[in-house]
Parts: sequence; structure tokens; C-alpha cells
Amino acid sequence: KAGVTQTPRYLIKTRGQQVTLSCSPISGHRSVSWYQQTPGQGLQFLFEYFSETQRNKGNFPGRFSGRQFSNSRSEMNVSTLELGDSALYLCASSWGAGIGTDTQYFGPGTRLTVL
Amino acid sequence: GESVGLHLPTLSVQEGDNSIINCAYSNSASDYFIWYKQESGKGPQFIIDIRSNMDKRQGQRVTVLLNKTVKHLSLQIAATQPGDSAVYFCAEVNQAGTALIFGKGTTLSVSS
Repeated sequence: KAGVTQTPRYLIKTRGQQVTLSCSPISGHRSVSWYQQTPGQGLQFLFEYFSETQRNKGNFPGRFSGRQFSNSRSEMNVSTLELGDSALYLCASSWGAGIGTDTQYFGPGTRLTVL
Repeated sequence: GESVGLHLPTLSVQEGDNSIINCAYSNSASDYFIWYKQESGKGPQFIIDIRSNMDKRQGQRVTVLLNKTVKHLSLQIAATQPGDSAVYFCAEVNQAGTALIFGKGTTLSVSS
């Protein structure tokens, strides 16, 4: 069974630009969560999508948004990029019974560098 | 606020030793805990989980211990191997049950 895949693996953008990251969950998984990982803040929850709806949201500004398609694939978008947005963005998928009910499996991440 | 912490940022062991990685959590109502392993350039990999109705759970070469009285979680790795070298994170479910909260991580270095 294929794991969680994320594209692209690396991105370099400049301040003010926007970026879209993609995540394909494990086959059959309906929940996709996004996390930001930085050396200073560690792993922080961005949002979770289930059945094309945002089910939970972390404490990030509105510049961070996402969506989920009918095939459970998900994208996240960051607009008006700031230097502090440089991070590893991780996607995790699960069956969808709820965080704390089923296990989240992570993809390899997208390394975003903002110059 | 909610937080999950680890006692030591780094741990160095010899191949074949047993390793113990510790974690303190703050949400006394949390009922689900997970350990993840993250190797360089990869995403976190699920190792083992435990629910609050248990105090011990064993996997292959790994054991997780949960002490709810002092809100402490530990991961024990038996016969540590060089391939175990990675950053280990504990995680708990937040109070609202809507997200995982991760600790800062412990870097395990195994020398042969």
C-alpha cells in the first residue's frame, strides 16, 4: 500500500508570493491534516480536512488555507509569503474517525524556503 | 497553555544498549498518546501508541509506559541499533480533541 505522498518536495519562493502544496493520502483514508515544522516551534497543527470540509483548525493566520477534493487529496495554500513561513510542511492522513481515535500517518513533507 | 515536553533534547547510547526517552505532558484529560520517529529528510513515522486506560504497551523492541499520576510518558527501545538514530517525538491529543500536540523532540544518537 502506498504511503502519503507530497509534492513538490522542495520549493523556493520570495516574500509576497503565494504557494500551493499538494498531498495525496493513503488509499481509503478520508482525513488529511497539515502541520508546520520549524526548528523553533516544532510541529504545529494547521488544519484538518475530512470529506472535503475543514473539520479542525489550528492557530495560524488566514494566509494559510486549504481544501480537500472528492478523492481525499488535499492542497494547502499560503498567500503573501513571509520569511517566517520557511518550514517543512507535513501532511498526515488517517481513516477519519477523529484525532485521538485513529492513527495519523505522515508524508515526507515539502520543504518551503522563503527568500 | 497545552504543551508536551521532553526531558532531554539529546541522548547518546552505544549499540546494543537499552534507550529510554522521556516525555512530560500537561493535559491531564488527554487519553491518547503517540510516539513518532523522524529520520533526517523524512516525515514522522508512527512507532507506538497508548491510551489512558493502559499503563504499558509493548511493540517490537519498543515499550511505552504511561504514568498518569505524574503525567509522564516514556519510550523504551531495547537493544538499540544505529538505525534507531533519529528524533523521537511524543504527542498527545489537545483538550478539544481536535489536534495532536507534539513535544520538541529528543535526538537519539547510536554509536557502534
